[in-house]
Amino acid sequence: AQSVTQLGSHVSVSEGALVLLRCNYSSSVPPYLFWYVQYPNQGLQLLLKYTSAATLVKGINGFEAEFKKSETSFHLTKPSAHMSDAAEYFCAVSDQGTYKYIFGTGTRLKVLA
Amino acid sequence: DAGVIQSPRHEVTEMGQEVTLRCKPISGHNSLFWYRQTMMRGLELLIYFNNNVPIDDSGMPEDRFSAKMPNASFSTLKIQPSEPRDSAVYFCASRLGENNEQFFGPGTRLTVL
Repeated sequence: AQSVTQLGSHVSVSEGALVLLRCNYSSSVPPYLFWYVQYPNQGLQLLLKYTSAATLVKGINGFEAEFKKSETSFHLTKPSAHMSDAAEYFCAVSDQGTYKYIFGTGTRLKVLA
Repeated sequence: DAGVIQSPRHEVTEMGQEVTLRCKPISGHNSLFWYRQTMMRGLELLIYFNNNVPIDDSGMPEDRFSAKMPNASFSTLKIQPSEPRDSAVYFCASRLGENNEQFFGPGTRLTVL
């Protein structure tokens, strides 16, 4: 069965520092992978997605993620954190041709001034 | 595009009352999802519609929960009777085709007293 693990329910970084949010998945076939961001009292917004094309995926707001099959990982990074990046981030996996997303438990990012 | 529209944004009701949540998906999208988000359980898929037909309702917690999609532009999630443990944020999401991302609405925050 598919599963998604997000290491670290809370991550704090200083403004201007590197952001690294971890996501590992288990899937028997090459999956589709997504990162969503949720700002307080809002719905989930897609940051980026991997759909078996380029392994390095660039998203909105300066975020990117790299699909590493050997490590079954899809970590989210941003070179320089901004105060506006403070939010909760969710990794999700979906097998190709299926409708169901499996969401991780989320990582709450705090950006320190 | 207006995005996925949900109403009401907030609902406070008393135990035993009927609650109806509404969703208007993005025009042209053929898949619709209802999710529930709580601190304890994270994001849970309640039901999935494809072309207005319920495909998977295995996530609906109890018979007190029901969902309908009478046409391509409208869906409802009803809880009758409501209980305090139903308090959560309920999200609607829509998607066009397989393997594409889901677009989430802003959610309805339900509080059952």
